[in-house]
Amino acid sequence: GAVVSQHPSWVICKSGTSVKIECRSLDFQATTMFWYRQFPKQSLMLMATSNEGSKATYEQGVEKDKFLINHASLTLSTLTVTSAHPEDSSFYICSARDPGTGASPLHFGNGTRLTVT
Amino acid sequence: DQQVKQNSPSLSVQEGRISILNCDYTNSMFDYFLWYKKYPAEGPTFLISISSIKDKNEDGRFTVFLNKSAKHLSLHIVPSQPGDSAVYFCAAGGSGTYKYIFGTGTRLKVLA
Repeated sequence: GAVVSQHPSWVICKSGTSVKIECRSLDFQATTMFWYRQFPKQSLMLMATSNEGSKATYEQGVEKDKFLINHASLTLSTLTVTSAHPEDSSFYICSARDPGTGASPLHFGNGTRLTVT
Repeated sequence: DQQVKQNSPSLSVQEGRISILNCDYTNSMFDYFLWYKKYPAEGPTFLISISSIKDKNEDGRFTVFLNKSAKHLSLHIVPSQPGDSAVYFCAAGGSGTYKYIFGTGTRLKVLA
């Protein structure tokens, strides 16, 4: 089945630094990828839709200058958390859909646990 | 405004019995519904889906029921196994957009 790989699985950074998270579709090409965020014991919140070759679409309340998304190829999207602060600590998960399988579900990466100290 | 709700945060079921997880939604434009299973520190794993043109979809031990008039869907797992213990999320959205809204999750514990 479709596989989505996310890296790193966890990262600790100091306040004020930037962190980049990569999301790759391993066996299919994804023109669209989605970035979610999950707080402890809460739901997955959609942050933005990453579009290959064009600007990402951000959900209401998500700062586009804080969470930079780049979708440079059909198999790679990156999320950069800029000038990270402790409140950015969270579990970030990317997802993609295999367009070759009709009305198919999203496949998720294994997530990245970000801790900002 | 929570468009997809799972009102039971947790559920305990004896091994071999049926697990029923419920989900309600408010947006009548949603036409595609999914269930995901999630373990801690991992991404969600797709279980089963249903489109609005159906009221039931079955895959092995998993069956999803959709009641459009009530804006309600449920996931039945039978027989339940200890390995089914996880957090289950329902999700809903438009089949053309693939932007899915997730519920808050239900933690299922299957007791051996």
